[in-house]
Amino acid sequence: SQTIHQWPATLVQPVGSPLSLECTVEGTSNPNLYWYRQAAGRGLQLLFYSVGIGQISSEVPQNLSASRPQDRQFILSSKKLLLSDSGFYLCAWSLWGQYEQCFGPGTRLTVT
Amino acid sequence: QKEVEQNSGPLSVPEGAIASLNCTYSDRGSQSFFWYRQYSGKSPELIMFIYSNGDKEDGRFTAQLNKASQYVSLLIRDSQPSDSATYLCAVPNQGGKLIFGQGTELSVKP
Repeated sequence: SQTIHQWPATLVQPVGSPLSLECTVEGTSNPNLYWYRQAAGRGLQLLFYSVGIGQISSEVPQNLSASRPQDRQFILSSKKLLLSDSGFYLCAWSLWGQYEQCFGPGTRLTVT
Repeated sequence: QKEVEQNSGPLSVPEGAIASLNCTYSDRGSQSFFWYRQYSGKSPELIMFIYSNGDKEDGRFTAQLNKASQYVSLLIRDSQPSDSATYLCAVPNQGGKLIFGQGTELSVKP
């Protein structure tokens, strides 16, 4: 069966510090991968999605970036965090050609 | 740009009652719909999906599609306190993406 991991689970970072969040999927090959952010009490905002290694599409302009160095690894990064980057970051995957997405446990980021 | 709208709630129902959650969508051509449940502080989990060929029942959950009025409903029979969560509706968009509604918070009172 497929599983998705995210780490860290929680993170507190000062404004201006860098960020690296990691997501890995097990039990499948060539998945579509997604990064979402959920602000407190808000809906899901799609940040990036990837259909393959090195293929990243950005949905919203921001100071975040994403990379996919391996088939089942998706990384979300920032060089300098802003207060507005605080939120719940969720990684999700889907099979190629299908819309059903499964979410990882998420990373709760607080920028102070 | 496709849109998905949900009443943010909270929707409060007594234990044992039927909870009815609605989601409206803008694209008349939408063919499939997904319902996710999100407990406070947790990630969303898929509980139901429905395609354009009719209603779907799974245990205490029923998804109903009204294409003429462009809304999809999730009914929860015999609601339990453990059903208290935020329910997110989603419709497919191009490129394998989903568009999510803002979610409806459900509170089931014992």
